[in-house]
Amino acid sequence: DGGITQSPKYLFRKEGQNVTLSCEQNLNHDAMYWYRQDPGQGLRLIYYSQIVNDFQKGDIAEGYSVSREKKESFPLTVTSAQKNPTAFYLCASSPWTDPTGEQFFGPGTRLTVL
Amino acid sequence: AQKVTQAQTEISVVEKEDVTLDCVYETRDTTYYLFWYKQPPSGELVFLIRRNSFDEQNEISGRYSWNFQKSTSSFNFTITASQVVDSAVYFCALSEATQGGSEKLVFGKGTKLTVNP
Repeated sequence: DGGITQSPKYLFRKEGQNVTLSCEQNLNHDAMYWYRQDPGQGLRLIYYSQIVNDFQKGDIAEGYSVSREKKESFPLTVTSAQKNPTAFYLCASSPWTDPTGEQFFGPGTRLTVL
Repeated sequence: AQKVTQAQTEISVVEKEDVTLDCVYETRDTTYYLFWYKQPPSGELVFLIRRNSFDEQNEISGRYSWNFQKSTSSFNFTITASQVVDSAVYFCALSEATQGGSEKLVFGKGTKLTVNP
């Protein structure tokens, strides 16, 4: 079945450690996105990528990094520079050629910093 | 800049009641798209509807209906005869074009709906 997978579902990290969240899609979508969700805050865009080997900062990129070496994969690294990384992280994708912006979401990863 | 406001933080209803979730948006674009997503307790966002700025017709899908009014910049969502399975957080979102040509979404803060049996 086509879709987006995120792993792991739950992730625990000690302060000062970098951690990488996985996002894979087999929808053949060109664009991929990472969002952060905090309680009562809605979703905020961290990074997005419209094509392989290219990505742009979203609204809250500080303390995060991404790569897009393959069309199917868009991993997010939460670095030790991120002051408050505990949150729910959602990955999404959309067809680049479709300008309407509909996005398809993965199941999310809940990151907790201990 | 684009902005989406969902003034209702939480709503609680009893099963079979009708409920309307409000969404007000701000944009300078003449062409834009509005969305509603549902987030059940499992966490994954589920797409409900997309509406472009040139189509103000109301839409009905089963127990769900949407009222889009450009004059008031609103895109409200009504659930008729609510059910316990409708309990979720609902997000309204507005598309914003990026320089590269794809779209990004600006989300409201969401409305948590609880339907009690």
